[in-house]
Amino acid sequence: GESVGLHLPTLSVQEGDNSIINCAYSNSASDYFIWYKQESGKGPQFIIDIRSNMDKRQGQRVTVLLNKTVKHLSLQIAATQPGDSAVYFCADLSGGYNKLIFGAGTRLAVHP
Amino acid sequence: DAGVIQSPRHEVTEMGQEVTLRCKPISGHNSLFWYRQTMMRGLELLIYFNNNVPIDDSGMPEDRFSAKMPNASFSTLKIQPSEPRDSAVYFCASSLDTRGYTFGSGTRLTVV
Repeated sequence: GESVGLHLPTLSVQEGDNSIINCAYSNSASDYFIWYKQESGKGPQFIIDIRSNMDKRQGQRVTVLLNKTVKHLSLQIAATQPGDSAVYFCADLSGGYNKLIFGAGTRLAVHP
Repeated sequence: DAGVIQSPRHEVTEMGQEVTLRCKPISGHNSLFWYRQTMMRGLELLIYFNNNVPIDDSGMPEDRFSAKMPNASFSTLKIQPSEPRDSAVYFCASSLDTRGYTFGSGTRLTVV
């Protein structure tokens, strides 16, 4: 029979533009969130994290925004570069202890 | 630190054979996680150890899967007997409590 793969939403941007990748979480008790970048053939790579006592955190070219009211997380990448092309995952500490649960991911495609 | 080290990088085996995947976490980390990634289901948490003790194995799909952590620097994930539907990329990750979640490069398993 035909197999159906996980359909990842894709964000296509022009090189130099800003990118915004969104993520919704379901557990209102989650208090720690991480964004990961996964390039083809590699493991997820840590980008930036944020704890629930903050609503914004900035890194180098990246900003994470947390809206606990609507349980929404976003990753903003400034001046997107071809090397930013990858699948981006949000993950949260959910289910107790320090067990990290991942979302489905978003594919970012950067065009020159 | 060399990061989380997984071996082998690639494994091709015949259905019914035993497969053992290996992981060396980052020195000093006290938590270790095994994840499976497939197109169908994305990144799934299989099992999680804290201080070498299995805390949550609710993600282990069947009794054919088992994981051990005999000491703080080594863990194995074993599949016996293996089946074609076990084909996936298996990732190991480690952390120190809720900090420093780091993934290995993964083992791509193909069961034919």
